[in-house]
Amino acid sequence: EIVLTQSPGTLSLSPGERATLSCRASQSVSSNSLAWYQQKPGQAPRLLIYGASSRATGIPGRFSGSGSETDFTLTITSLEPEDFAVYFCQQYGRSPHTFGQGTKLDIK
Amino acid sequence: QVQLVESGGGLVKPGGSLRLSCAASGFTFSDYYMNWIRQAPGKGLEWVSYISTTSSFTNYADSVKGRFTISRDNAKNSLYLQMNSLRAEDTAVYYCTRGLPSGYWGQGTLVTVSS
Repeated sequence: EIVLTQSPGTLSLSPGERATLSCRASQSVSSNSLAWYQQKPGQAPRLLIYGASSRATGIPGRFSGSGSETDFTLTITSLEPEDFAVYFCQQYGRSPHTFGQGTKLDIK
Repeated sequence: QVQLVESGGGLVKPGGSLRLSCAASGFTFSDYYMNWIRQAPGKGLEWVSYISTTSSFTNYADSVKGRFTISRDNAKNSLYLQMNSLRAEDTAVYYCTRGLPSGYWGQGTLVTVSS
């Protein structure tokens, strides 16, 4: 099974700042089949990024994904108040389709 | 618009069974892989199972293999999860999701396994 490790566990930033979230895989993720999700309290997760770097429909341009093989990054430029949430990465290239443990982005 | 509505959750004793359902609408259900993903209270996400468009291929997390069975009825636009031999650690919100990766999610249904 591919283990995904997200860092940091918690990231405290202010609106307007840039956020960089990391997702590291224990093995190469095939075909860059890596997704990022955002989850707010009491809500289902929302797909942000798929294929490591493609934005899902309706996702603002301040969200971007990068990386390949075992190292992936989600970047949020100029944080908006609604961006403070928990972020998960998931690899869907090889079963089981594992998730990272999540990064909580909170307001400083 | 795409809608996924789960049902069937509730309180069940350890060793018991439950069948979750997911009613899909707003898209051609038979065109998409479907998944079950769960989230224990206050915890992260855990992929549980997926099923191919024609049910020819299914896969399960090791934690549920042999106890849970995923199925679908394309004529009824419905996804199912039969859960047997339930354990306390199966307590979670269970989400029905569409596609690989999961582009659409239902609101989830809570399963509580407790005596």
